[in-house]
Amino acid sequence: AQSVTQLGSHVSVSEGALVLLRCNYSSSVPPYLFWYVQYPNQGLQLLLKYTSAATLVKGINGFEAEFKKSETSFHLTKPSAHMSDAAEYFCAVSERDTGGFKTIFGAGTRLFVKA
Amino acid sequence: EAQVTQNPRYLITVTGKKLTVTCSQNMNHEYMSWYRQDPGLGLRQIYYSMNVEVTDKGDVPEGYKVSRKEKRNFPLILESPSPNQTSLYFCATGLSGGAGEQFFGPGTRLTVL
Repeated sequence: AQSVTQLGSHVSVSEGALVLLRCNYSSSVPPYLFWYVQYPNQGLQLLLKYTSAATLVKGINGFEAEFKKSETSFHLTKPSAHMSDAAEYFCAVSERDTGGFKTIFGAGTRLFVKA
Repeated sequence: EAQVTQNPRYLITVTGKKLTVTCSQNMNHEYMSWYRQDPGLGLRQIYYSMNVEVTDKGDVPEGYKVSRKEKRNFPLILESPSPNQTSLYFCATGLSGGAGEQFFGPGTRLTVL
């Protein structure tokens, strides 16, 4: 059965510092992997997705993630944090199930950016 | 404008009083899904639908029903709500049957007293 683990429910960085949000997954078949961002009082929007075309995936707002099959990881990074990056970030995996595709989300990591 | 709409956005109700949360999309997507979001637990999938008349359980379907009679609508029904169903609910749609990007509605905050 698939599962998603996000290490650290809260991460705090200074403006301009590297952002690293960790995600590990378990899946019995090659998964589809996603990072979504949720700003306060809003729904989720897609940052980036891995669908086996390339292991390094570039997303919006300068974020990228690297799929490492051997480590079952899909960590999210951004070289330089901006105040506007403060939000909650969710890693998700979709895997084919009997009725179609089920999606499992991690518990989320709230990113704080200090001036 | 492409969008996913949910109604109501906020609802306070009492235990046992049946309610329906509607979800409608104008993006012509086949795939629709319902999630609940609880602090510390992230989003958990309740039900999903690959297309009209085809639905399947997610990870937390107990206490919920859905129906997909037409492509654009996917209502979530709570026949007898209980306090443990107090949560933030999101509807989502997608093109690639859940294998691709999902587009989320604005959320419905439900409180069951």
